[in-house]
Amino acid sequence: DAKTTQPPSMDCAEGRAANLPCNHSTISGNEYVYWYRQIHSQGPQYIIHGLKNNETNEMASLIITEDRKSSTLILPHATLRDTAVYYCIVRVAISGGYNKLIFGAGTRLAVHP
Amino acid sequence: KAGVTQTPRYLIKTRGQQVTLSCSPISGHRSVSWYQQTPGQGLQFLFEYFSETQRNKGNFPGRFSGRQFSNSRSEMNVSTLELGDSALYLCASSGGTGGNSPLHFGNGTRLTVT
Repeated sequence: DAKTTQPPSMDCAEGRAANLPCNHSTISGNEYVYWYRQIHSQGPQYIIHGLKNNETNEMASLIITEDRKSSTLILPHATLRDTAVYYCIVRVAISGGYNKLIFGAGTRLAVHP
Repeated sequence: KAGVTQTPRYLIKTRGQQVTLSCSPISGHRSVSWYQQTPGQGLQFLFEYFSETQRNKGNFPGRFSGRQFSNSRSEMNVSTLELGDSALYLCASSGGTGGNSPLHFGNGTRLTVT
């Protein structure tokens, strides 16, 4: 299974962009990069995903390098409510489908006033 | 659209008992997965069901089992509870099984075994 590496923690000032990096150097060509976040005592919340191209939605932007070995999740204007653990996951194809997600330790993002 | 619903939200059981947790997926979603989250092990995959069939299973003992009904609702059962089974149990549903179909999680059932 493709493994991801994320910094254990990051800080960001409220209103500034939060850039969360992720390394996935062993990713295969058909494997998607997914980002989730988890606020204490809640289930992981889907943020965004991508295969090769950069993606943007109402929550965030995902920048994937051309060689696909790393990516960055960008929260353009962080708020206090963005304080959470962010998980970068490479979604692998296994027998029967893709729906086994392998979570690492994630990055604990703290947004400060 | 309503999200993934898990019941009950909290549960306290005694060692040796059994427990059943319930999950209602997002309407139209046919794939349901279960995960266990503990402070020591993080989030770990338990099993996945699609169209009432178990497709994948994680590395958990046979005390952990599940099933899916024809309406896609799912239950998981843990028998002969141990203290180490105390955890947040999360259910996720997906509209497909391809890599391009996001999983959406419920807020979980927090099980405490005493």
